[in-house]
Amino acid sequence: QVHLQESGPGLVTPSETLSLTCSVSGGSISSYFWSWIRQPPGKGPEWIGYVYYSGSTKYNPSLKSRVRMSLDTSKNQFSLELTSVTAADTAVYYCARSLPNTRLRFDSWGQGTLVTVSS
Amino acid sequence: QSALTQPASVSGSPGQSITISCTGTSSDVDAYDYVSWYQQHPGKAPKLMIYDVSNRPSGVSNRFSGSKSGNTASLTISGLQADDEADYYCSSYTSSSRVFGGGTKLTVL
Repeated sequence: QVHLQESGPGLVTPSETLSLTCSVSGGSISSYFWSWIRQPPGKGPEWIGYVYYSGSTKYNPSLKSRVRMSLDTSKNQFSLELTSVTAADTAVYYCARSLPNTRLRFDSWGQGTLVTVSS
Repeated sequence: QSALTQPASVSGSPGQSITISCTGTSSDVDAYDYVSWYQQHPGKAPKLMIYDVSNRPSGVSNRFSGSKSGNTASLTISGLQADDEADYYCSSYTSSSRVFGGGTKLTVL
């Protein structure tokens, strides 16, 4: 069974770049869509975007100007960069997997990592 | 402000049935039969309970069912159990992306 694990700094300074990595074990990163989803405290989730195993990406229009995603098939990892962060970016960040042709149905999730934006 | 609208809370007694609504627009819920429902216990990741409006993943109890009419989707849980107490989120596909609801807290009395 596939296992996803997020890693990265838990505290980011305002105006800096948030960087997270998701490590995938128990399965290959190939042939899937890999998404980042965040959930501010006490609120609903927000889809940030996905990176396909081919390297193609699609981002939420509301975040598109600040988001970059990539993947490293040799390490079975994919990454998120969110630039110019503010307190509004404070959230639990999840990585998640979707099968092709499922319209981004998230069938496996990481445990999540809390990122706080504060000076 | 979330893209999909859910009631903030619902409650029911063990053994009863409850229904959670999820209202969207003509661009998401009404346009596609790709509504999902997720269950989230405190401090845990969301778990897929229903996909494509009314389908259950393997391992999910048949006490959970989903439906849709126009721009409103619904999740029904029958035979409420204590472990059903959690937050529930709906999600709809829209224009190559996904939108979520603000969540509904289910309390089992």
